Amino acid sequence: DAKTTQPTSMDCAEGRAANLPCNHSTISGNEYVYWYRQIHSQGPQYIIHGLKNNETNEMASLIITEDRKSSTLILPHATLRDTAVYYCIVRVYNTDKLIFGTGTRLQVFP
Amino acid sequence: DTAVSQTPKYLVTQMGNDKSIKCEQNLGHDTMYWYKQDSKKFLKIMFSYNNKELIINETVPNRFSPKSPDKAHLNLHINSLELGDSAVYFCASSNQGVPSQPQHFGDGTRLSIL
Repeated sequence: DAKTTQPTSMDCAEGRAANLPCNHSTISGNEYVYWYRQIHSQGPQYIIHGLKNNETNEMASLIITEDRKSSTLILPHATLRDTAVYYCIVRVYNTDKLIFGTGTRLQVFP
Repeated sequence: DTAVSQTPKYLVTQMGNDKSIKCEQNLGHDTMYWYKQDSKKFLKIMFSYNNKELIINETVPNRFSPKSPDKAHLNLHINSLELGDSAVYFCASSNQGVPSQPQHFGDGTRLSIL
């Protein structure tokens, strides 16, 4: 079973920041949090990952709480092309398993 | 250049047939995976191979058999296809044992059983 819970769906206006929350209260100290997205049944696309510190790349920012029990993916300026299902995944320690949950369907509107 | 490529993109066949899906990666990774996404959109790992050795083998029917001729290729053979095998199958690759490295996915093969 997935170790994460996410809202089923969210809306965001184009040009605004999209903040996608994720709870992972049972995460272990050495397990990474990964974010992927899937656009219209294409292959999952890697976005960002982190362990303890906040991370930023050209696509997004990842904010991880100090107790690591939750995180937020931030798309700073959402576009229509960001409409997708976003998956928050805790990578199982000492394996290469990615266990996908149901994700959050983000709808960006004009 | 496509990093993880799968063929065919679409596969329509009849129940009882045997079919194969091919996957190739040019990222130099040592581990490849097969995932299945069913009609409810749940994405679940099936297998992983590292340097031609089976590493992860989830509860998958024996009709499914991965074959890895080299570390850049991982093919999926499915025997005696059933209606429930209809799904999208995704191949992925990464380097084993590097939790800080993401898996990269192909665009999927949509398998439809008539």
